[in-house]
Amino acid sequence: DTEVTQTPKHLVMGMTNKKSLKCEQHMGHRAMYWYKQKAKKPPELMFVYSYEKLSINESVPSRFSPECPNSSLLNLHLHALQPEDSALYLCASSQVGRTGGGAQHFGDGTRLSIL
Amino acid sequence: AQKITQTQPGMFVQEKEAVTLDCTYDTSDPSYGLFWYKQPSSGEMIFLIYQGSYDQQNATEGRYSLNFQKARKSANLVISASQLGDSAMYFCAMREVYNQGGKLIFGQGTELSVKP
Repeated sequence: DTEVTQTPKHLVMGMTNKKSLKCEQHMGHRAMYWYKQKAKKPPELMFVYSYEKLSINESVPSRFSPECPNSSLLNLHLHALQPEDSALYLCASSQVGRTGGGAQHFGDGTRLSIL
Repeated sequence: AQKITQTQPGMFVQEKEAVTLDCTYDTSDPSYGLFWYKQPSSGEMIFLIYQGSYDQQNATEGRYSLNFQKARKSANLVISASQLGDSAMYFCAMREVYNQGGKLIFGQGTELSVKP
């Protein structure tokens, strides 16, 4: 069983809808991540939170809005998405540190389809 | 330039045989970590194994081992006694301490198919 839980597993939404993806971890990690992944491609980093503060935004369009309410939770708010935003969205968490270690542990992902 | 290179887009292996998935990397950072992840068709990204740049021994985790050759900048994953459940996409990744803000950099992946 994964220790990073993502909901929902599947989401279909129209381009005018507003929805949120949720991620929860109970590993005591203080870094959390959002990735976008297209089929048969590597994940692309979107956002990084470190100690509940946004530390990296990879020039993601503003129709994606991240939120980290506490050290265990990470949300991704979606609004006015485009068909090209259809993808697998992965959440991950890891320790924070300056060592090379600290593997990122991923959730099962949310498969998002934009109609 | 590619930081992580996986030269095998797809591979086949017979069940119960060993298989090596190639990964080379490029970095000027003296401190870095190398990771392998497995992603089945269901989508979850599963952490398999980690090797630190200062580790003297090759990492092993059950049937997985990492053949770390620092001078050649390679970090190949060896899966022994392949099983049907090993069929998946495998990603090699690197995390530098001083460069890239500590971000995880992924290779393009290798799709492994295990034949019965």
